[in-house]
Amino acid sequence: NAGVTQTPKFRVLKTGQSMTLLCAQDMNHEYMYWYRQDPGMGLRLIHYSVGEGTTAKGEVPDGYNVSRLKKQNFLLGLESAAPSQTSVYFCASSPDGGGVTQYFGPGTRLTVL
Amino acid sequence: QKEVEQDPGPLSVPEGAIVSLNCTYSNSAFQYFMWYRQYSRKGPELLMYTYSSGNKEDGRFTAQVDKSSKYISLFIRDSQPSDSATYLCAMKLIGDKIIFGKGTRLHILP
Repeated sequence: NAGVTQTPKFRVLKTGQSMTLLCAQDMNHEYMYWYRQDPGMGLRLIHYSVGEGTTAKGEVPDGYNVSRLKKQNFLLGLESAAPSQTSVYFCASSPDGGGVTQYFGPGTRLTVL
Repeated sequence: QKEVEQDPGPLSVPEGAIVSLNCTYSNSAFQYFMWYRQYSRKGPELLMYTYSSGNKEDGRFTAQVDKSSKYISLFIRDSQPSDSATYLCAMKLIGDKIIFGKGTRLHILP
């Protein structure tokens, strides 16, 4: 069981470039989440999904898009990266609708120059 | 007033000591209270959670919730260097998203 995996682990972008972060889980969880973690800000929810084909906005969705075409995958897209999107991005999955028990991936460190 | 407040630390204690980590919150409607541990450059992992008020114990870890004071605590007994990490408290309403604290950095000194 790999749990939750994230690709890539590190990435450097220039302002205006686009990229997609991939999250995969092998635990057959319905619920998946994307967070960003910034110094002094804690974890903030970007988008989440309650099942295959569904997505919803979280606390800080602007500048990001997501897709959940397959139950095991949750993609986070940045269409036009900005320096303010420099952060560590974590994906998480949960077996319960309450989202109390979340399993996190190892994170993607993104720097936007 | 922020919804969840947590002292960022760092908190340094000698090995074997009892550690007390705390969070305060403003929303009296929170029902679930969680503690996550995050090692450097890793994702958070759930340590334990409690529903509503009271205590919960798991090995060397004890979580306490005092809803009257809007205050939660995590105690670590017989602390070990491997406990050195950032500890995130988190809370949620039923049917709503989790609100995370900013985390307290803990250093256990050998």
